[in-house]
Amino acid sequence: KAGVTQTPRYLIKTRGQQVTLSCSPISGHRSVSWYQQTPGQGLQFLFEYFSETQRNKGNFPGRFSGRQFSNSRSEMNVSTLELGDSALYLCASSLILRDSPLHFGNGTRLTVT
Amino acid sequence: QQQVKQSPQSLIVQKGGISIINCAYENTAFDYFPWYQQFPGKGPALLIAIRPDVSEKKEGRFTISFNKSAKQFSLHIMDSQPGDSATYFCAASMPGNTPLVFGKGTRLSVIA
Repeated sequence: KAGVTQTPRYLIKTRGQQVTLSCSPISGHRSVSWYQQTPGQGLQFLFEYFSETQRNKGNFPGRFSGRQFSNSRSEMNVSTLELGDSALYLCASSLILRDSPLHFGNGTRLTVT
Repeated sequence: QQQVKQSPQSLIVQKGGISIINCAYENTAFDYFPWYQQFPGKGPALLIAIRPDVSEKKEGRFTISFNKSAKQFSLHIMDSQPGDSATYFCAASMPGNTPLVFGKGTRLSVIA
């Protein structure tokens, strides 16, 4: 079974630009979550989508948004990039059963210059 | 509060030794406590998890100890090996469709 696929692996953007990251979940997984990983803050929850609806949202500014398509694939968008947005963005998919683990992709490394 | 506090930030252990990573939480509504392991260049992967109805769970060399009254839980890695060198994250979640809240991670280095 293929794992969670995130594209692209690396991105370099300039301050003020916008960026879109993509995530393909494991087949059959309908929940997709996004996390931001930085050395100082660890893993911080951005949002979670289930059946094309945002079910949970973390404490990030409105510049961070996402969506989920009918095939469960998900995208996240960051507009008006800031230097502090440089991070590893991780997508995770899961079943919606109790105690079902998060299956993470290998992330997209975003660098904002 | 949603926070999970993890310590230490980094840990160096001799091969064959015991690695111990600790986490503490405030929210008594948390009822699920997993540990994730992350190797460089990879996403985190579930290592082991526990619910508060048991005080200990063991899987191979990995053990979670849970102290409900102290609101603390810890990961013990017995007979630590160089291949265990990774970043470890504790996490917690509440019942229902709530997201996992992660600690800030512990970078473990096992040296020969």
